[in-house]
Amino acid sequence: GAGVSQSPSNKVTEKGKDVELRCDPISGHTALYWYRQSLGQGLEFLIYFQGNSAPDKSGLPSDRFSAERTGGSVSTLTIQRTQQEDSAVYLCASSLKPAGANVLTFGAGSRLTVL
Amino acid sequence: QKEVEQDPGPLSVPEGAIVSLNCTYSNSAFQYFMWYRQYSRKGPELLMYTYSSGNKEDGRFTAQVDKSSKYISLFIRDSQPSDSATYLCAMSEGDDKIIFGKGTRLHILP
Repeated sequence: GAGVSQSPSNKVTEKGKDVELRCDPISGHTALYWYRQSLGQGLEFLIYFQGNSAPDKSGLPSDRFSAERTGGSVSTLTIQRTQQEDSAVYLCASSLKPAGANVLTFGAGSRLTVL
Repeated sequence: QKEVEQDPGPLSVPEGAIVSLNCTYSNSAFQYFMWYRQYSRKGPELLMYTYSSGNKEDGRFTAQVDKSSKYISLFIRDSQPSDSATYLCAMSEGDDKIIFGKGTRLHILP
């Protein structure tokens, strides 16, 4: 597709369950970012993949959060043993080259609600 | 102190007014400065992009960067109701993560 695709668009889960959020970046984009957006908190950086380099995981809030990017394309963000404070919109973005020098294209986000 | 500070608003101004949005930052290594606009239930989209200090103009929008003061601004002239959105500043050192401000909610009143 022409844009960044995220799925599911909405996810409601029970506390303690695991969830997986998927991101399909724009074809050919080497950089991929995950952000979390909570009410009043802005965009919180989670993790950054750039080509074959080791990902920058410095923003992951706890070891319950992990992400992988297979074949330099699709990425999955996994949250284990979800907590209510994990409720947020999870946004994925991709760019053609290291994003400091280029534009991030965002998906519409996956809205996670933990009951 | 957070790396990037931005007043969350909301900011309400009448149609046609000049809008001024601002961010301050603490990391002197930031070189790339961006403004993103986000409509409700959508992902952010790039509005303006500036490298290092100086001004950049695009239609009704002007971005300013003052690295000596660690202060960036976005001005919107002749504001329209369609400009009502959340505006997020963002910055980066280069080939690495981009840090966003919290965003300012802007309402343009018809």
